[in-house]
Amino acid sequence: DQQVKQNSPSLSVQEGRISILNCDYTNSMFDYFLWYKKYPAEGPTFLISISSIKDKNEDGRFTVFLNKSAKHLSLHIVPSQPGDSAVYFCAASVLSTGNQFYFGTGTSLTVIP
Amino acid sequence: GAVVSQHPSRVICKSGTSVKIECRSLDFQATTMFWYRQFPKQSLMLMATSNEGSKATYEQGVEKDKFLINHASLTLSTLTVTSAHPEDSSFYICSARRIGNSPLHFGNGTRLTVT
Repeated sequence: DQQVKQNSPSLSVQEGRISILNCDYTNSMFDYFLWYKKYPAEGPTFLISISSIKDKNEDGRFTVFLNKSAKHLSLHIVPSQPGDSAVYFCAASVLSTGNQFYFGTGTSLTVIP
Repeated sequence: GAVVSQHPSRVICKSGTSVKIECRSLDFQATTMFWYRQFPKQSLMLMATSNEGSKATYEQGVEKDKFLINHASLTLSTLTVTSAHPEDSSFYICSARRIGNSPLHFGNGTRLTVT
C-alpha cells in the first residue's frame, strides 16, 4: 500500500518559470515531510523539509507547502533552472515512532532552456 | 559535502556469488542506518534497518538470509547479497541520520548487476 503518492511521473517546465511538484499522503500520523532530488545513478540529495506544525518552509528558490487537511504537499521551484532537471521524491515520516521514511514514486522534472 | 559514503558504486557479478556493499557515515556516528532498494521508475523501498551492535530489522518480504546486514561500528554498515541471482540486480542505497529531527542522508547508491 503506497502511503505517499506522486501522481505525476514527469513534468516539463521552461527555464525561468515556476515548477510545482505535488505529493499526496494517506497516513494522517505523518508529521515530518521531506523532498529529495536524485540524479541518475546517484543517491538522493536532501532538498528541504517541513514539519506538520508549519504550512510553509522556504529555502532560496525552493518552497514547500503543506496542507494537512488535504494531506497534500507541494514543492515550488522558482525560477526553474536547467540544473534542476532531476527526479524529485517526496518522503514522509512519523517522528515519534522511529526512523522509517515512506517515499513517493518520484517525479521527473525537465527544465527546458 | 557528502556525509554518507557508499562503496562500490557499481558491481557486476556472476550468479551464485556474493557481493558486499559498504555504507559509512563520514562525520557523525549513526547508531541506525537504513538500506533501500530501487527498481526502475519505482520509489525507494526500505529493505532493512541496521542497528549498531544488534540484529538488523528486516521489512516484510525481505529475506534476511539473502541480504545479510552487519553494523559493526557506529560509522559502518555492510549489506551482503548472498548467492546473487539476476533478479537481485537493482540499485541499492544506504542512508543514515544524525540524532534528533534531521533528514536522512543518502549514499550515492550501488548499481548491482548479476549476470
